[in-house]
Amino acid sequence: GQNIDQPTEMTATEGAIVQINCTYQTSGFNGLFWYQQHAGEAPTFLSYNVLDGLEEKGRFSSFLSRSKGYSYLLLKELQMKDSASYLCAVRGFTGGGNKLTFGTGTQLKVEL
Amino acid sequence: DTEVTQTPKHLVMGMTNKKSLKCEQHMGHRAMYWYKQKAKKPPELMFVYSYEKLSINESVPSRFSPECPNSSLLNLHLHALQPEDSALYLCASSQEGSGLVNTEAFFGQGTRLTVV
Repeated sequence: GQNIDQPTEMTATEGAIVQINCTYQTSGFNGLFWYQQHAGEAPTFLSYNVLDGLEEKGRFSSFLSRSKGYSYLLLKELQMKDSASYLCAVRGFTGGGNKLTFGTGTQLKVEL
Repeated sequence: DTEVTQTPKHLVMGMTNKKSLKCEQHMGHRAMYWYKQKAKKPPELMFVYSYEKLSINESVPSRFSPECPNSSLLNLHLHALQPEDSALYLCASSQEGSGLVNTEAFFGQGTRLTVV
């Protein structure tokens, strides 16, 4: 099975940097994704890691260590609109096929 | 076109009704997914279709019946639902494959289902 953990809530200040951690256990790992979801809306894709290391995409970066079962999402120059739920999702191969499983989600609140 | 389209956007149904949720994508994706999401919870995987065949069923009750008529369409047939089945139902699609293929899942806007 898959077990994916994230902090439930975080609060940060506008303009600051925040790091959201994700730890996971899975079989047949073939990718880790970060999604952003605003209340009442669909998740939107932020980043993808399949190899160890850092992927940078504008204000967002994501890091993966497969040996440690660990990823983080780094958000820089925080804006009020970044207040949302951030979901870590792991793609793993089971006997039936590939499945994308979401972690518990981290509710980020950005304050002035 | 990077859209996944779901209809209807909202649905209210009684416990004895039969209804269907529809999902469509034209990105050539060969993996399609149904997720259920309750308020303040993450999406919970229900079904995965790979190349139009059901590859994963996460022990979903039989009152939910998925169907994949072709590579662009995914349906979820609903029958004899319970009030606790009220949730946002999300459809997603992605490329199939593994390794370095980017299998980013694109999500539809969801169907907000209320069972009365």
